[in-house]
Amino acid sequence: AIQLTQSPSSLSASVGDSVTITCRASQGISRALAWYQQKPGKAPKLLIYDASSLEAGVPSRFSGSGSGTDFTLTISSLQPEDFATYYCQQFSTYSFTFGPGTKVDIK
Amino acid sequence: QLQLVESGGGVVQPGRSLRVSCAASGLTFTSSAMHWVRQAPGKGLEWVAVISFDGSDTYYADSVKGRSTISRDNSKNTLYLQVNSLRPEDTAVYYCARAPPRRLTGFDYWGQGTLVIVSS
Repeated sequence: AIQLTQSPSSLSASVGDSVTITCRASQGISRALAWYQQKPGKAPKLLIYDASSLEAGVPSRFSGSGSGTDFTLTISSLQPEDFATYYCQQFSTYSFTFGPGTKVDIK
Repeated sequence: QLQLVESGGGVVQPGRSLRVSCAASGLTFTSSAMHWVRQAPGKGLEWVAVISFDGSDTYYADSVKGRSTISRDNSKNTLYLQVNSLRPEDTAVYYCARAPPRRLTGFDYWGQGTLVIVSS
């Protein structure tokens, strides 16, 4: 089964900072990757699909890139509402595993 | 706008069975593959199972394979997950989520989750 790792596992940042989270797959998955944001007690929210496509209604400060085994999520100017945990998810055949998550908190 | 509402969670003894449900309202439930995802307290997300739009295909995570059944009733716009032989490690919030039609990745709609606690 394909495994995902995320780095860092947590980070502290300030409002206005640019933040990058990395997701690595144990084998190539083309562009079959999505990113989610989750706040405590809430369901995950889809941010990015197909590695780099912005979900409707998601602010343009969120962007995704990558293909194969290495992917990144970038938040260009962190806003107060962006402090949350972020997960990547891969979509290989009949397997939809999530990464372990990256917690972004306030410095 | 699609709305998903889970129900059926609760406290269950180890070894027993539980069925959780996900009621959908709004558009395109019957044309969408549906998934179950769970999250143990304080832990990350774990994909559990998927069912095709018409119920003809199902797949499971290794952690529940052989003791779980995902099903759907499109006439009732409802998704189900039955887990048998429950273990303490099955304790989690169970979410249903939609895979949008004609798209390869991403779950665009999620329910609010239902908490299952496996404990004696």
